[in-house]
Amino acid sequence: SQQGEEDPQALSIQEGENATMNCSYKTSINNLQWYRQNSGRGLVHLILIRSNEREKHSGRLRVTLDTSKKSSSLLITASRAADTASYFCATRGSGAGSYQLTFGKGTKLSVIP
Amino acid sequence: DAEITQSPRHKITETGRQVTLACHQTWNHNNMFWYRQDLGHGLRLIHYSYGVQDTNKGEVSDGYSVSRSNTEDLPLTLESAASSQTSVYFCASSDRTDTQYFGPGTRLTVL
Repeated sequence: SQQGEEDPQALSIQEGENATMNCSYKTSINNLQWYRQNSGRGLVHLILIRSNEREKHSGRLRVTLDTSKKSSSLLITASRAADTASYFCATRGSGAGSYQLTFGKGTKLSVIP
Repeated sequence: DAEITQSPRHKITETGRQVTLACHQTWNHNNMFWYRQDLGHGLRLIHYSYGVQDTNKGEVSDGYSVSRSNTEDLPLTLESAASSQTSVYFCASSDRTDTQYFGPGTRLTVL
């Protein structure tokens, strides 16, 4: 079963606008990660936020985590056409020695030049 | 540079045939994973390994097997291919930082 569920499923914005994607999950986690997938390619890791962190930044990316609501959001500021891709959240469970991730179904982002 | 490769990139096979998809990583990572990606389902975990001789079943392991004889390779075998196994397959590896590094994928079609 899917742990993470992204919302919206698809998002279309103009270049320069901000894009916000949300992820909800069901069980306790060790960390939550966001990945990007360009069409026809493998996934690329973007950012990881641990369960004891609330916000993290990396370049134009900002991730928040609310463990009480079991949700996370990914904000991409000043979007570019090259940001067009699918974005997935993935959670690592809180069990010791467990390194597998559970992925959501993804948000497909289209940035229009 | 370290990398993770998959072969073949595209494969067409017939129902009932045995198929093996290769995954090779030069990161020297202990953890390796196989996923399948289907429209409407995202990525689902098939099998994973935390080291040589260690293998574990994931969410959708029926009809698949893996073996880990060295650190670099985790081949995925479909014992008797079925049309329901038509999918894109991704291999990934990770170390203790939890970041997973993905291969380019193998598109498998079972006719």
